[in-house]
Amino acid sequence: GESVGLHLPTLSVQEGDNSIINCAYSNSASDYFIWYKQESGKGPQFIIDIRSNMDKRQGQRVTVLLNKTVKHLSLQIAATQPGDSAVYFCAENMAGGYNKLIFGAGTRLAVHP
Amino acid sequence: EAQVTQNPRYLITVTGKKLTVTCSQNMNHEYMSWYRQDPGLGLRQIYYSMNVEVTDKGDVPEGYKVSRKEKRNFPLILESPSPNQTSLYFCASSPGEGTIGGYTFGSGTRLTVV
Repeated sequence: GESVGLHLPTLSVQEGDNSIINCAYSNSASDYFIWYKQESGKGPQFIIDIRSNMDKRQGQRVTVLLNKTVKHLSLQIAATQPGDSAVYFCAENMAGGYNKLIFGAGTRLAVHP
Repeated sequence: EAQVTQNPRYLITVTGKKLTVTCSQNMNHEYMSWYRQDPGLGLRQIYYSMNVEVTDKGDVPEGYKVSRKEKRNFPLILESPSPNQTSLYFCASSPGEGTIGGYTFGSGTRLTVV
């Protein structure tokens, strides 16, 4: 079946650098995308979302970019901090509502001092 | 504090012994869902519920049951657990269709079936 995937399983960055986490999705009908952060021992936590009628959305230190032409989603974290170390998941919404999210396998972000 | 509460956090059980993982949310959310998380597979939806007495299968429902008798509770039932159900389970809730932010997740239940 169709699923969301991630290009890089592990990303290591230096503290203060910018991080970019990538995600490829396969369902062109998906209309809503979310990035989640999961810290060790905790459940996924909402970071930022974007609808398919947008190509960019910014939050605090995070930006999500959506390229529908190539079905690509990215999460940019500015000035990465040790507290950003976690596993990041992208998820796509398969239906018109929010009852069914398809998650990728995740990317681990490791921030080094 | 708005939250999704799962119990227990950790559970070790034997094959075939029925168990229930409880989930409760205090946000008056319409939607609730159960996911399992396995290495390399991400989160996969087991069951979801759009309202009281309304449930439906997700992607991996085999071996699981759910019920939604009250809006706040959505227990996950394993009638006869097997070792392939060893996993990390998450309950989640959301306000409902048309809302933003997706699901709010609980802290997880790590289940081991021996």
